[in-house]
Amino acid sequence: QQQVKQSPQSLIVQKGGISIINCAYENTAFDYFPWYQQFPGKGPALLIAIRPDVSEKKEGRFTISFNKSAKQFSLHIMDSQPGDSATYFCAASFYDKIIFGKGTRLHILP
Amino acid sequence: GAGVSQSPSNKVTEKGKDVELRCDPISGHTALYWYRQSLGQGLEFLIYFQGNSAPDKSGLPSDRFSAERTGGSVSTLTIQRTQQEDSAVYLCASSLAGGESYEQYFGPGTRLTVT
Repeated sequence: QQQVKQSPQSLIVQKGGISIINCAYENTAFDYFPWYQQFPGKGPALLIAIRPDVSEKKEGRFTISFNKSAKQFSLHIMDSQPGDSATYFCAASFYDKIIFGKGTRLHILP
Repeated sequence: GAGVSQSPSNKVTEKGKDVELRCDPISGHTALYWYRQSLGQGLEFLIYFQGNSAPDKSGLPSDRFSAERTGGSVSTLTIQRTQQEDSAVYLCASSLAGGESYEQYFGPGTRLTVT
């Protein structure tokens, strides 16, 4: 019940395309859903986050879509750029408990 | 403002030796987390501190691993009698527990290599 399932494990997208990463959770107590971006040799950094009272949040080219009834959320990267190539982790948290997905390695072809 | 810092950035040690990894969280952050990341893998939770106490040690892989936090600030992760399977990047994160979010701020990690 504490798992966060993330897919795909890896993703290759052409420059300018849309990258989509999906996550699913089980525990309905989770109330904060962040996405982290990690470049090689660096620690993860918060990219964008959403609370379950909204269905979508957009920041620049990055959008989170949230489906509370299905217990699923996804990250969409519009107009994907080579600089977006990184590993992306979704997460779900409640208070100070946070569960991370296993990560998606995204590669944007130039 | 300073972020989370970790030292050393790289550590090479011989099998069987003890190592200490240090984390300096963001000032005022009461929550501190340790994770382990093997090459190309996800984030493996190790231990969580709230202040100086550790309410969740469930991720520590064996009794060779221990951690402490003093003064509600600096934390040290100690690995005794290191094994080759301990080779990984050890990440520390801190969080301002409370308020509207629990965003974790990660340090750059310590890359541990056990030879």
